Amino acid sequence: SQTIHQWPATLVQPVGSPLSLECTVEGTSNPNLYWYRQAAGRGLQLLFYSVGIGQISSEVPQNLSASRPQDRQFILSSKKLLLSDSGFYLCACHTNGLFFGSGTQLSVL
Amino acid sequence: AQRVTQPEKLLSVFKGAPVELKCNYSYSGSPELFWYVQYSRQRLQLLLRHISRESIKGFTADLNKGETSFHLKKPFAQEEDSAMYYCALSGERELSFGAGTTVTVRA
Repeated sequence: SQTIHQWPATLVQPVGSPLSLECTVEGTSNPNLYWYRQAAGRGLQLLFYSVGIGQISSEVPQNLSASRPQDRQFILSSKKLLLSDSGFYLCACHTNGLFFGSGTQLSVL
Repeated sequence: AQRVTQPEKLLSVFKGAPVELKCNYSYSGSPELFWYVQYSRQRLQLLLRHISRESIKGFTADLNKGETSFHLKKPFAQEEDSAMYYCALSGERELSFGAGTTVTVRA
């Protein structure tokens, strides 16, 4: 079965600083990968999904970007963080259902 | 476009009482539906899939295509069922989630 590694678990960053969250998957190949943001009272919002290396689809306009440099690596980035980027970010892999990483709590101050 | 609606943000029931979490969807194709659960301080995880027609932790969910619903039910709620529950629909390219329902089971 697949295992999803996501790091860091928590992150505190100043406004205007860059961001890089990394997600790697083990135990499967050519997975569909996703970045979600979970905001209190607002459920799960799909940010990006990728069906393969270099293939990124964005669901909402935002300050963030994503990249997939390798089959089992998915990176969420920002050049300059905004206060509104604070939230809980989840990486996920879809194989007969969606399996999630442990998440990253991002606080932008 | 695909869409998932969970009309209840909060649901509070007493231990031993039945619990039903509502989920409605809209999708032009043949849907694949899931329920996910997040217990306190744990990661979000798959609870059940409609194609498996399984019962997990006493929960069941039946896909009703006529009513476009996939409600989650349990006849006797337990305190350990307190959690956040998400209904999700797998479309052609993505998995869409409802806004989630927070369930509190009181003793």
